[in-house]
Amino acid sequence: QKEVEQDPGPLSVPEGAIVSLNCTYSNSAFQYFMWYRQYSRKGPELLMYTYSSGNKEDGRFTAQVDKSSKYISLFIRDSQPSDSATYLCALTRHGQNFVFGPGTRLSVLP
Amino acid sequence: DTGVSQDPRHKITKRGQNVTFRCDPISEHNRLYWYRQTLGQGPEFLTYFQNEAQLEKSRLLSDRFSAERPKGSFSTLEIQRTEQGDSAMYLCASSFVQGAEYEQYFGPGTRLTVT
Repeated sequence: QKEVEQDPGPLSVPEGAIVSLNCTYSNSAFQYFMWYRQYSRKGPELLMYTYSSGNKEDGRFTAQVDKSSKYISLFIRDSQPSDSATYLCALTRHGQNFVFGPGTRLSVLP
Repeated sequence: DTGVSQDPRHKITKRGQNVTFRCDPISEHNRLYWYRQTLGQGPEFLTYFQNEAQLEKSRLLSDRFSAERPKGSFSTLEIQRTEQGDSAMYLCASSFVQGAEYEQYFGPGTRLTVT
């Protein structure tokens, strides 16, 4: 079993839709959970991070962590074509070795 | 621009040659990470430094790979005797310890093609 699993997509949605992106993980020791956005041929860009279980909101983005289920989610409201990218979840215990999911490719169609 | 920079952006080399990549982190960041990313995969951790000390290396980092951060500022990643399987994007990231270790900022990457 891989440490972090993520549906690779591609996921296509119409503009304005609510997008739900998810990761599952196997190691309960992870404490910090991040979401990155990566445009083609660019480095990943940090979108959000959360510590332990709970929700965090930032504009159109909401990150959710359920440690009991080892499940993390990123919701994007009012999706825009500019949101079209690959979304990567990343996990770490203490900010040293970061483990990334394979990414979900999202296309928001105008 | 005060972000993470990497040089070169692209490198094409023949199998068996040595290559060296450079990363300049955000100036106040004391942690520096190297990752490798292949198509359709997330970044894979290779190694990280806190200041000039290399604190952790992945088992992915074979003997042909070496990384340095001599003065705790920029870092270099060298691959000796390159193989076709080394073709990938090599990403550098930096962060600031003391409460923000998880806030990694990535550079644009160096894309290596081994022919």
